[in-house]
Amino acid sequence: SQKIEQNSEALNIQEGKTATLTCNYTNYSPAYLQWYRQDPGRGPVFLLLIRENEKEKRKERLKVTFDTTLKQSLFHITASQPADSATYLCALDPGYSSASKIIFGSGTRLSIRP
Amino acid sequence: DADVTQTPRNRITKTGKRIMLECSQTKGHDRMYWYRQDPGLGLRLIYYSFDVKDINKGEISDGYSVSRQAQAKFSLSLESAIPNQTALYFCATSDQSGFVMETQYFGPGTRLLVL
Repeated sequence: SQKIEQNSEALNIQEGKTATLTCNYTNYSPAYLQWYRQDPGRGPVFLLLIRENEKEKRKERLKVTFDTTLKQSLFHITASQPADSATYLCALDPGYSSASKIIFGSGTRLSIRP
Repeated sequence: DADVTQTPRNRITKTGKRIMLECSQTKGHDRMYWYRQDPGLGLRLIYYSFDVKDINKGEISDGYSVSRQAQAKFSLSLESAIPNQTALYFCATSDQSGFVMETQYFGPGTRLLVL
């Protein structure tokens, strides 16, 4: 069956460290993958998009990798801060044959402790 | 995101009642979506609309209907609510961007409890 999994439901790390979140998928061949941030009581907010021919994408303290062989994306936050605490969702395009235009993972709740 | 608004923000209803959730956007986007979010299951697409005359079912449309009253308005109806429709509902918009995966812009969500 087709799945998109974010391996850690919750991740707690010390302020200043690098947070690494994982998104794995099976039986999809997405051309694109996105990462969103969701704060409690609010809708997700788009952070980054990476294409299948891009190995890495950066935006300020954020870095995303996309390995189509491993079927995995990694999302890194360097020099993490308590304000980075939120739930992070990965999303991919499942292809034209799918009833859904975009498939979301269930998210990883990241907590940065001071 | 203030560009996408949802009403109501919270709603408690009883089994069998009809309920409508409304979404408005000022982003000028043609494409609008309704999702539900459940713990551990992520966001799942209920319906989407690419313009006023175009309505499409998503992966979990059973028990729901939608109406696209205008480019800026997309409403979701539960004709006869049941407890397993208790969830957080999000409206989203996107701009047609050709061959690039579309960025979704989400509203603040409606928390629905069906008793």
